Amino acid sequence: ETGVTQTPRHLVMGMTNKKSLKCEQHLGHNAMYWYKQSAKKPLELMFVYNFKEQTENNSVPSRFSPECPNSSHLFLHLHTLQPEDSALYLCASSQDWASGGAGGETQYFGPGTRLLVL
Amino acid sequence: QKEVEQNSGPLSVPEGAIASLNCTYSDRGSQSFFWYRQYSGKSPELIMFIYSNGDKEDGRFTAQLNKASQYVSLLIRDSQPSDSATYLCAVKERGSTLGRLYFGRGTQLTVWP
Repeated sequence: ETGVTQTPRHLVMGMTNKKSLKCEQHLGHNAMYWYKQSAKKPLELMFVYNFKEQTENNSVPSRFSPECPNSSHLFLHLHTLQPEDSALYLCASSQDWASGGAGGETQYFGPGTRLLVL
Repeated sequence: QKEVEQNSGPLSVPEGAIASLNCTYSDRGSQSFFWYRQYSGKSPELIMFIYSNGDKEDGRFTAQLNKASQYVSLLIRDSQPSDSATYLCAVKERGSTLGRLYFGRGTQLTVWP
């Protein structure tokens, strides 16, 4: 596997279910991100991890719970979601975050998980 | 609130033409600028990034940055039907907390044969 992978690619869940999204990056990067992409809206940053430490939580509801056990893996645990949470959830990684122009802060995206909450 | 605005589109050009995609941003302190391409149902893929004023060329793509006007554009020369996609502009502010990129809503480009 190369690049950034995400599983599952598609997920349908009820509002009372608990599920997890998984992301793995094979690029040797140190930073990982979760984004939400809804129709007709810009990409929304949800969480940022740098060297396994969460550095940003963009006012995301607690029904979304991230986990980053190491620099290569990132999870998003979902519980009691709402229909408006249906969206494409994208994981991204970057080499670092402040390379000052050398390109290391460029983010590379995984294929995404298409989530439908019924 | 940081704003990144893109021309609304959709933009339609004939094959072989130059497609011009525009993006303006509100934060004068922005430092890094990225163009991503997103095919329908797929994830964004990086086309190029630019940090310095002026032009940056990569094959058929040219990014142009004018920090004084807070404007970044992407030109696609010799447009091909395979270039039909949504193009996302992303901006990173100087000294931002880790990795925060602000994305525009995207411009949908259609290249017709």
